[in-house]
Amino acid sequence: GENVEQHPSTLSVQEGDSAVIKCTYSDSASNYFPWYKQELGKRPQLIIDIRSNVGEKKDQRIAVTLNKTAKHFSLHITETQPEDSAVYFCALLSGGGADGLTFGKGTHLIIQP
Amino acid sequence: NAGVTQTPKFQVLKTGQSMTLQCAQDMNHEYMSWYRQDPGMGLRLIHYSVGAGITDQGEVPNGYNVSRSTTEDFPLRLLSAAPSQTSVYFCASSYDDRGADTQYFGPGTRLTVL
Repeated sequence: GENVEQHPSTLSVQEGDSAVIKCTYSDSASNYFPWYKQELGKRPQLIIDIRSNVGEKKDQRIAVTLNKTAKHFSLHITETQPEDSAVYFCALLSGGGADGLTFGKGTHLIIQP
Repeated sequence: NAGVTQTPKFQVLKTGQSMTLQCAQDMNHEYMSWYRQDPGMGLRLIHYSVGAGITDQGEVPNGYNVSRSTTEDFPLRLLSAAPSQTSVYFCASSYDDRGADTQYFGPGTRLTVL
């Protein structure tokens, strides 16, 4: 199946700074790229997604960028706050006909006060 | 509107036992799926369904069975539990019939196999 590499596995930033998490993939037919946030002991929740016909999407302090040529997409969080501390997962849907999301292994984001 | 519900929340099994994890959604979603989450491994797709009567395998289907007799319910059966199946199991549903839209996750079932 499709493989998605997510980096870094842990990211510690000062409150107010920006955080960037990157995912790379191999299947050029992939066409849907969501990001999920999971707080400790809770279920994953969608925070933003992007489709292959768009290069960037923003929602307040969160943005996602997609580079189809280089096959990577990134999550950007600006002006980080303590409530941003969580594990973030990238995912993608292969365009090859297989259904279901493939997830990265996750990034533990720690916001230092 | 309860969203996606899962039962039980916690379960302990002995090796070789069988059990069914229940999942239900009340959003009339066609797409439902089961994931397992292990430390450092992200979420891995076990089985999914694009509508009643239709199921298919995901990345890690061995040792699990599913059925989809109604739009609302998507149970996951462990046939003969093994310690390697110790994990947190999440059920999810989506409006899009390929899962290419918001996946709504249930609260999860934490399973331990001794």
